[in-house]
Parts: sequence; structure tokens; C-alpha cells
Amino acid sequence: EAQVTQNPRYLITVTGKKLTVTCSQNMNHEYMSWYRQDPGLGLRQIYYSMNVEVTDKGDVPEGYKVSRKEKRNFPLILESPSPNQTSLYFCASSIQVYSPQHFGDGTRLSIL
Amino acid sequence: DAKTTQPPSMDCAEGRAANLPCNHSTISGNEYVYWYRQIHSQGPQYIIHGLKNNETNEMASLIITEDRKSSTLILPHATLRDTAVYYCIVRPPDRGSTLGRLYFGRGTQLTVWP
Repeated sequence: EAQVTQNPRYLITVTGKKLTVTCSQNMNHEYMSWYRQDPGLGLRQIYYSMNVEVTDKGDVPEGYKVSRKEKRNFPLILESPSPNQTSLYFCASSIQVYSPQHFGDGTRLSIL
Repeated sequence: DAKTTQPPSMDCAEGRAANLPCNHSTISGNEYVYWYRQIHSQGPQYIIHGLKNNETNEMASLIITEDRKSSTLILPHATLRDTAVYYCIVRPPDRGSTLGRLYFGRGTQLTVWP
């Protein structure tokens, strides 16, 4: 089954403790992207990747890192999480940037 | 800087057509219009996309005006399960490394009532 898988689905952690949210897709898609969603603000793009080893900033990249060493994986790294990064996060992928995106089920992060 | 403008909310009676508008007055000639929806806090779901011609699939119809400055998503027979936030997006202006940037905005909350 074609899917985008995010882990963990839920995480409560403390300020400053490094964490990684994994994202994996099994569709051989070139384009992958991370979004965060906060009440009243819709979806905002954090980082995206056009292909392996090609990543770039979206609208709200501060405090986040990404890597794209393999085509299927696009982890989101919070080196020193802070409470303002408490949010619902979505990973998405598509064949190309102009193609319909497939979204994961989301990861709800709470930073205390 | 918004790429699209949508009303924050709309409602519709079950069984009636839901018509969701979107303004994209700065759209370029080769940019597609995409529609997604998000039910509760689930991952957004692709609905339909188009360039200049009207499009229809099993979920919805997309009507794009001749000047391409606006579009309307039509759910022909809305059901309670169509209650969701609907997002209209276009590719952002091409500014070098921003090719992959996608702007979802706040969308339109559609409520279908019995």
C-alpha cells in the first residue's frame, strides 16, 4: 500500500532534549516536505526536498534541520526543542513538486 | 504574502452543492491550481487540480475562470463527511530556490449540516 509513514505519532518531551521525527515513503517520490500546523494558522511549510541531497527552507525553518540521504526518508530534527515548537507536524511526498502530495497521519509534539 | 484568498468559513445543507471560491489573481500562465482538504486533524487529502480547463473527478469539479484569476471547487452533493477545511494552493512565484515552496494558507472551513 502506498503510504507516507511518520514516527512517532505523539511525543511529549522537555525543552532542549534533541528529537527526530522520521518520515518514510514507499512510492519512490522525488519531492518531500515538512509542515507544521497551529490553530488558526493553517499549514506552514518548514523544509522541503526536491531530491536526494537537495533540501531547502520553507516559510518557518528556524529551529529545525532536515536531511535527505536516501530517497525514501526525510527526517525532521529538532536539535534543541522549545515550547514554541509544540505543534502538529505533517510530512508529505509527491512524484514531483507539481504533483499531488500524499500526506502522513501527523505527529503531535508537545515541548514542555 | 498570500498567494490565494479564500473565505474563512462556509456552510452547506446536506445533499446540496457546495461551491468553494478561491482567488489567485497573481497566478502565472503555467501554474496549476490544486485543492486539498483536511478532516479534523488528519493529514490533508488531495482532491483535484487544473491548469485552465474545467476538471472533474469522482470527488469534485473544478471551475477555473477564463482569466485564471479565480476558481471554484464544487462538491455536487455534499454529505456530512465533507465537513473539513479546504485549501486552494498554487505554486509560488518563481524566485530561484523557492521553486519547491508551497503555501497552503488558512483555507475555508466547510460545515455541512443535516
